[in-house]
Amino acid sequence: NAGVTQTPKFRILKIGQSMTLQCTQDMNHNYMYWYRQDPGMGLKLIYYSVGAGITDKGEVPNGYNVSRSTTEDFPLRLELAAPSQTSVYFCASTYGPGTGWVYGYTFGSGTRLTVV
Amino acid sequence: DQQVKQNSPSLSVQEGRISILNCDYTNSMFDYFLWYKKYPAEGPTFLISISSIKDKNEDGRFTVFLNKSAKHLSLHIVPSQPGDSAVYFCAASTGNQFYFGTGTSLTVIP
Repeated sequence: NAGVTQTPKFRILKIGQSMTLQCTQDMNHNYMYWYRQDPGMGLKLIYYSVGAGITDKGEVPNGYNVSRSTTEDFPLRLELAAPSQTSVYFCASTYGPGTGWVYGYTFGSGTRLTVV
Repeated sequence: DQQVKQNSPSLSVQEGRISILNCDYTNSMFDYFLWYKKYPAEGPTFLISISSIKDKNEDGRFTVFLNKSAKHLSLHIVPSQPGDSAVYFCAASTGNQFYFGTGTSLTVIP
């Protein structure tokens, strides 16, 4: 059981480049999330999805896009990368309110992105 | 606006003693509270949770206390072990998401 898998683990982008951070889960979770963590800060929600075909903005969505075509996958797209997007990105999933809240999220191991 | 706050960035405790990590929140609509543990270069992992209808939940060496009137959450680790050295995040849920604190780095000294 792989849980939540994020790729790549590390990436260096030049300003203005684009990339997609991949996230896949094999637990049949309906809810999936993308967070970013900056040094000394908590986790900030970028986007989330409560099921295939449904996405919604979080606290810091500017500069990012997402799609959810399947239950398993929730890729995060960065368009026109900027230094302010240098961060560690975590994908997470859960069943959702109820059982999911008792056990919280399952997180991936993170993607460390540097924009230069 | 930070709805979940951890005011102590770091904490050092001797092995075998009690570690107490604190968390404050502002939103009275939060219905579940969790603690996560995070090692460097890894994602956070779930540690323990508590529903807003309870005031205490215990799991082995870990106990979470909830004081709703004070909007305060704490995690007690007894006895503390060197392997407990990590960053601990508290989180609270309402609606479709959890809100996270900024973390407390715990160091357990052998």
